[in-house]
Amino acid sequence: GAGVSQTPSNKVTEKGKYVELRCDPISGHTALYWYRQSLGQGPEFLIYFQGTGAADDSGLPNDRFFAVRPEGSVSTLKIQRTERGDSAVYLCASSLRQNSPLHFGNGTRLTVT
Amino acid sequence: GENVEQHPSTLSVQEGDSAVIKCTYSDSASNYFPWYKQELGKGPQLIIDIRSNVGEKKDQRIAVTLNKTAKHFSLHITETQPEDSAVYFCAASTGFGNEKLTFGTGTRLTIIP
Repeated sequence: GAGVSQTPSNKVTEKGKYVELRCDPISGHTALYWYRQSLGQGPEFLIYFQGTGAADDSGLPNDRFFAVRPEGSVSTLKIQRTERGDSAVYLCASSLRQNSPLHFGNGTRLTVT
Repeated sequence: GENVEQHPSTLSVQEGDSAVIKCTYSDSASNYFPWYKQELGKGPQLIIDIRSNVGEKKDQRIAVTLNKTAKHFSLHITETQPEDSAVYFCAASTGFGNEKLTFGTGTRLTIIP
């Protein structure tokens, strides 16, 4: 079946611009996660949704980052006033339930010039 | 918070030989330890996981061992094949769910034909 889908696969933006990254989880998965992966590093936790609500957003680096999941399915990660340090691969994952294994998408590579 | 260290950072083995990757964690409350395989341009793919109430788990050529006392866990791949070449990440999580994984820095495994 279809896996986690992330769009766009690549995004290049100028410093100071606003970007939105989209995640379509596996159908029926109630939990959704955003991670960020810098070059040569492991993924770092950003935020976790159980249903529509953000159950844990402790990994968001600052208030320029925000994520929503209004209908409990698709999620959007929003970054305001982008900085060059925001350049990374943003990974989305979903799981059937809170304690089920995570399935990752292929990520969105964000480059801030 | 949790800190996960992973060694080695690179590993080359002859096809057919075994490969071992080791990780240590700092938070004694961690209770879930997944291993992910990541190929170039793709998201991490779960290959095996273990919970803290189990000391060892095996799935065909892949096995994971956990030593809670020493706070370390290892991935063992036997009879390696060229398609095993990838970057492997260990991770650890505390609490009931798997939402907040802390990843190691990865091991680039190269299988030499």
